[in-house]
Amino acid sequence: DADVTQTPRNRITKTGKRIMLECSQTKGHDRMYWYRQDPGLGLQLIYYSFDVKDINKGEISDGYSVSRQAQAKFSLSLESAIPNQTALYFCATSDGTSSNEQFFGPGTRLTVL
Amino acid sequence: ELKVEQNPLFLSMQEGKNYTIYCNYSTTSDRLYWYRQDPGKSLESLFVLLSNGAVKQEGRLMASLDTKARLSTLHITAAVHDLSATYFCAAKYGSGNTGKLIFGQGTTLQVKP
Repeated sequence: DADVTQTPRNRITKTGKRIMLECSQTKGHDRMYWYRQDPGLGLQLIYYSFDVKDINKGEISDGYSVSRQAQAKFSLSLESAIPNQTALYFCATSDGTSSNEQFFGPGTRLTVL
Repeated sequence: ELKVEQNPLFLSMQEGKNYTIYCNYSTTSDRLYWYRQDPGKSLESLFVLLSNGAVKQEGRLMASLDTKARLSTLHITAAVHDLSATYFCAAKYGSGNTGKLIFGQGTTLQVKP
């Protein structure tokens, strides 16, 4: 079984709809991250959380919100989706050690029409 | 603000040839990461470089870090088709164990028979 899972894997929605993307992990890591990937732009950090009570904005948090329901779960919400939020979204985890290596989920492909 | 730039962005090479991907970053960073992404897939961690002069090798790939030059390289030796993928470097942003990564745009490698 995958250590980091994301649901849904694919989603098509309409402008103005509220969307939630979910991430779960079995690695026991405290730190979780949400990224978005656009062609030619690499990955950009949306939000990150170092524990259940710690939530921080990343580079591109506008239009997004997050919830850390438990150590193992970190959800990303688009309150009112717009077409330029069409992208590939990745969740990642890390253990906070000196290397702080991040492990990525399989991704969610979101299309906003 | 930390910026990370990779070059080239696209590389087409013949099997058996050697080549280097360059990753430059704009401000001080003491952690550098390399990831591989296959089309439609997630990111797989390749190397974590933790100090100036660090060199790591795995199979035909070797990564190095020069923090004074703000440069990391990923060297490919005797390329094979299975190495075809997009390679990303990422630098840690901020002091301490922040866990925030800034990614380069990615280098798409195509190895031809």
